[in-house]
Amino acid sequence: EVQLVQSGAEVEKPGESLRISCKSSGYSFTSYWVGWVRQMPGKGLELMGIIYPGDSHTRYSPSFQGHVTISADKSISTAYLQWSSLKASDTAMYYCARQTGDGYNLYFDCWGQGTLVTVSS
Amino acid sequence: SSELTQDPAVSVALGQTVRITCQGDSLRSSYASWYQQKPGQAPVLVIYHKNNRPSGIPDRISGSSSGNTASLTITGAQADDEADYYCNSGDSSANHLVFGGGTKLTVL
Repeated sequence: EVQLVQSGAEVEKPGESLRISCKSSGYSFTSYWVGWVRQMPGKGLELMGIIYPGDSHTRYSPSFQGHVTISADKSISTAYLQWSSLKASDTAMYYCARQTGDGYNLYFDCWGQGTLVTVSS
Repeated sequence: SSELTQDPAVSVALGQTVRITCQGDSLRSSYASWYQQKPGQAPVLVIYHKNNRPSGIPDRISGSSSGNTASLTITGAQADDEADYYCNSGDSSANHLVFGGGTKLTVL
């Protein structure tokens, strides 16, 4: 069974750094892209970026480029989303999801349970 | 353009049929996928490759596409279908996928 299990909720202060994780199991971690999706309170889904753990090739959506870092450790089948300096506006639920499909037809077939990040002084 | 547009809210009477639409230029060259999200839960894939359902998704949920518009149709809506629905599309040349703004479906 394909599973993505995310790390637990975090409460941080503005300016602090943070890394959340997404551990994959049940499939070849290095053969599929993994994406990170933000959902701010009461709002819709926004794709932040994706990573191919096989070679760590990463693509960021324009709105998130330079604001977060996506990485992966294939030895433990885990993808990460990292901030170097949190802002209150980073308060949101963050999901990881496995991307599959081909070329012009891509989709996310399995999702993590979400990690709630709260940034407050 | 990589933007996808959805109606913010749609309602349907119990047992009736409802269509949720998604418009965007990327849909002329790539299929939409659709996700259902219930309050407090992670999104769940319900349609991919225009009209394929993952296992466990009932066949009263279907997808279609024409031109720059993709549609999700629920035939015989049930109370359990009440949720937010998001479309998603893109292609490798765009380097990233985008989500529509989401449609809140209310079953009356």
